[in-house]
Amino acid sequence: EDQVTQSPEALRLQEGESSSLNCSYTVSGLRGLFWYRQDPGKGPEFLFTLYSAGEEKEKERLKATLTKKESFLHITAPKPEDSATYLCAVYGGATNKLIFGTGTLLAVQP
Amino acid sequence: NAGVTQTPKFQVLKTGQSMTLQCAQDMNHNSMYWYRQDPGMGLRLIYYSASEGTTDKGEVPNGYNVSRLNKREFSLRLESAAPSQTSVYFCASSATDKNYGYTFGSGTRLTVV
Repeated sequence: EDQVTQSPEALRLQEGESSSLNCSYTVSGLRGLFWYRQDPGKGPEFLFTLYSAGEEKEKERLKATLTKKESFLHITAPKPEDSATYLCAVYGGATNKLIFGTGTLLAVQP
Repeated sequence: NAGVTQTPKFQVLKTGQSMTLQCAQDMNHNSMYWYRQDPGMGLRLIYYSASEGTTDKGEVPNGYNVSRLNKREFSLRLESAAPSQTSVYFCASSATDKNYGYTFGSGTRLTVV
């Protein structure tokens, strides 16, 4: 069964304290792994797509990496405005639709 | 530069009432989707439309119907609302039925009492 698991469920960081969020997946025939950011009361906002193991993408303080079993979203020197829920999703497998994880709620304190 | 627009933003229904959630996109995307988001469950696909004139069931279609009115608009209808349908509903669109960064609307928060 195609599955996406994110950890931790919640993470509290001090401003400037770097950390990583994990997204592990099981899907046959991965065609893409997506990271989204979701602010309270809003829809998910697209961040990155990764297509193959070894690929990396960067945007400001965020860097996403991909292996054959998991993806990491590294947050370097976070700021309070980075506080949000980060969602991981995979495309491929039996349904050929996006399958979402339940997200990691990140809180960055000043 | 509207992207994906959903209406209404909030709605309270009584059990058994019906309603239609509206979604429109202005990006000339072929594919459109309806998701629901519940605490601890993640986003789950209700229905999707790969192209104008086609619709298919997703993971949790029971109790819902959809209409792809034209290329821009994709509506979700609850014929007889139940408390289990209390959720936040998101519409999304993408350029094709393949992957490539879905664009989401801002959501409809529905409460069924």
